[in-house]
Amino acid sequence: QSALAQPASVSGSPGQSITISCTGTSSDVGTYDLVSWYQQHPGKAPKLMIFENSKRPSGISNRFSGSKSGSTASLTISGLRAEDEADYYCISYAGSTTFFVLGSGTKVTV
Amino acid sequence: QVQLQQSGPGLVIPSETLSLTCSVSGYPISDGYFWGWIRQPPGKGLEWIGNHHYIGDTYYNPSLKSRVTISVDTSKNQFSLKLTSVTAADSAVYYCASTDTAMVAVVFWGPGTLVTISS
Repeated sequence: QSALAQPASVSGSPGQSITISCTGTSSDVGTYDLVSWYQQHPGKAPKLMIFENSKRPSGISNRFSGSKSGSTASLTISGLRAEDEADYYCISYAGSTTFFVLGSGTKVTV
Repeated sequence: QVQLQQSGPGLVIPSETLSLTCSVSGYPISDGYFWGWIRQPPGKGLEWIGNHHYIGDTYYNPSLKSRVTISVDTSKNQFSLKLTSVTAADSAVYYCASTDTAMVAVVFWGPGTLVTISS
C-alpha cells in the first residue's frame, strides 16, 4: 500500500496563499473523487478540512479549498494565518480491497 | 454529534496483544458509518489500520491484515481493536475514527491513545 506523495514542507508568509499537492495513481486519486484533507496540530487529533476533493464541511473557513486533476489532488490555503501552521494529510479511497491510501503529510509553516 | 472515547492500556509487552476500545456516544453504531482505527508513530505520519462497515464488512490495511481484528459490540455501542504479536514498531498514538459511508472521509476522531510496546 504505497503512500500518496506530499511535499514534506511548505511555507508562506501571513496573507499569502500556499498549495499542497497529493499525488497518487490511477488506482486511487485518479479513479475516485473521494480525496479528503486533514489538519493536525501538535498533540491533537486530525480534523477534516475538505472531502470529495473540494467540498468543505460546515464550519471550515472558505480560505481552504481543494481540487483534483488526474491523479493529483491539491489543497490551497489562502490568506495564510498563524493558526494555519500545522501538519496536513490527504487520504484517498482506493477501492474495496485497499480501501484507504494516506498521504505522507506536509508541515505548513507560517 | 458523534463523540468517541478511547480506553485501553498504554503499555504492552512485546509479542503480546494490543487491545483498545472506542465507546461511541450520540449515535447508534448499527445505524451508519465505518468504524475504524488509524495510528501515528511518534513524529511520523498517519497509518490506516482498518474499518468495519456498520452492516458488517470489515476492511484492513494489507500490511497489518494478518495481525488485526476490528470488532463491534452493538449492545455496548462500542468497537474494538486487537493487534497481535506486537513489536516496538507498533508503538504509536492510536485513534479510533468514524468514516462517513458516502463521502468516505473521516468525520469524527477519538482523542488518541499513546501505546508503547516495551518490556
